[in-house]
Amino acid sequence: QVQLVESGGGVVQPGGSLRLSCAASEFSFRTYGLHWIRQAPGKGLEWLSFIHWDETTKFYADSVKGRFTISRDNSKNTLFLQMSSLRVEDTSIYYCVKEKVTGTEYDKAFEIWGQGTMVTVSS
Amino acid sequence: QSALTQPPSASGSPGQSVTISCTGSSSDVGAYDYVSWYQQHPDKAPKLMIYEVNKRPSGVPDRFSGSKSGNTASLTVSGLRAEDEADYYCCSHAGPYIHYVFGTGTKVTVL
Repeated sequence: QVQLVESGGGVVQPGGSLRLSCAASEFSFRTYGLHWIRQAPGKGLEWLSFIHWDETTKFYADSVKGRFTISRDNSKNTLFLQMSSLRVEDTSIYYCVKEKVTGTEYDKAFEIWGQGTMVTVSS
Repeated sequence: QSALTQPPSASGSPGQSVTISCTGSSSDVGAYDYVSWYQQHPDKAPKLMIYEVNKRPSGVPDRFSGSKSGNTASLTVSGLRAEDEADYYCCSHAGPYIHYVFGTGTKVTVL
């Protein structure tokens, strides 16, 4: 079963930028739809962004639209999240998540989660 | 888009059942059969327990079941076990603009 491993988290000042990566352990990564979901400390889950396997479709939550960019490199089995204009309220654990698929149809459910990477926005 | 509403807490003794509600609107839960449920133990990543309202992924015990009526979805855990003590989150597809909305989360305690 595929494993997802996020990296790139850390401490950044408000207004700064950070790039998160998510490495997948399986070759069929290039067939997955992938999401970023975050969780502020002690809080609930928030969906952020989705990318289709071939990058033809990308979606963003309003809270990050225009500031975050999702991308992927299928040749390296890696998903990215470029974050800019970071705010204190962006402080969260960021999860890379594979969407569940049945056949060729997306099930609109989050099947495989990475362990998360912590991003702290603070001056 | 507001989060889906869940009770903050629920509890039951071992062997009993507990049901968690997830209330949304006609734009999310009521509009789509794409409600999913996630179990999260402390300091762990969430785990998919139910998708498309009432389907269980491979490996999830049949003690977990889901349903939906109107704008409210529910997760029932039957035959409670100590390992079921965790936070549970619902999630609904919410159309082409909002995409996904999560619930506020429910902490389940096994007494």
